[in-house]
Amino acid sequence: SQKIEQNSEALNIQEGKTATLTCNYTNYSPAYLQWYRQDPGRGPVFLLLIRENEKEKRKERLKVTFDTTLKQSLFHITASQPADSATYLCALMDTGRRALTFGSGTRLQVQP
Amino acid sequence: NAGVTQTPKFRVLKTGQSMTLLCAQDMNHEYMYWYRQDPGMGLRLIHYSVGEGTTAKGEVPDGYNVSRLKKQNFLLGLESAAPSQTSVYFCASSYSKGGEAFFGQGTRLTVV
Repeated sequence: SQKIEQNSEALNIQEGKTATLTCNYTNYSPAYLQWYRQDPGRGPVFLLLIRENEKEKRKERLKVTFDTTLKQSLFHITASQPADSATYLCALMDTGRRALTFGSGTRLQVQP
Repeated sequence: NAGVTQTPKFRVLKTGQSMTLLCAQDMNHEYMYWYRQDPGMGLRLIHYSVGEGTTAKGEVPDGYNVSRLKKQNFLLGLESAAPSQTSVYFCASSYSKGGEAFFGQGTRLTVV
C-alpha cells in the first residue's frame, strides 16, 4: 500500500541548532515533493517545492533534499528560532495524479 | 487579496442534518481541493476540481458531494451528517497541478 511517513513524535531542539525532519514514502513515484508549515488552528502554508530531478533546494534558512532512490526527503531549518515551532507537513504529487497527498506531519518545538 | 476564504469557520450539526461548506478564492486558480484533517491522520483528500464545471473523487469521498459552478467557488456538501464526519475541513487552491497550494483557515465541524 502507499504510505507517507513522518515522525509522529515531536522534535525538541535548542534555539540556534539545526532541525532535521524526515519524510519517507512507499509505493509512490512523485513528480514533486513539497513542505508546508502549519500553526495551531490555521491552514498549512507552503514553504518549498522540489522536483524529482532536483537533489536539493534552499530558501533562506530552509533546505530540502530529495532522494528518489532512498524514497526520502529531508527538511532542514538552520539557526532555528522559537518562532519556527510548528507542525511541518510533507506532501507529494504522485505521477499521473492531480492532487497532493500529505503526510501526518511532525511537530517541531524550538526551546529558547 | 483575500486568498482562500472558507465559510463558516465553526459549525455544530446534529446527525442526519445537511450543510454546505463554501470555499472562495480570488487568485483565478484552476485547481481547487477539499481536505479533511483528523488527529494523527494528516490531511486526506475528499474531492477536487481541475476547472470550472469539473469535479473528481479523492481518497475519502463517501458521504460528501461537491460542485464547481463558478471558477472561484468550490462547495462541499454533506447530505446526511454522521459523527464520523466530525473533523476540520480545509479548502485549497493552486494555479497548476503540483504547484504551491494556498489553504483557507479551515472549518471546524462537529456532528453530534
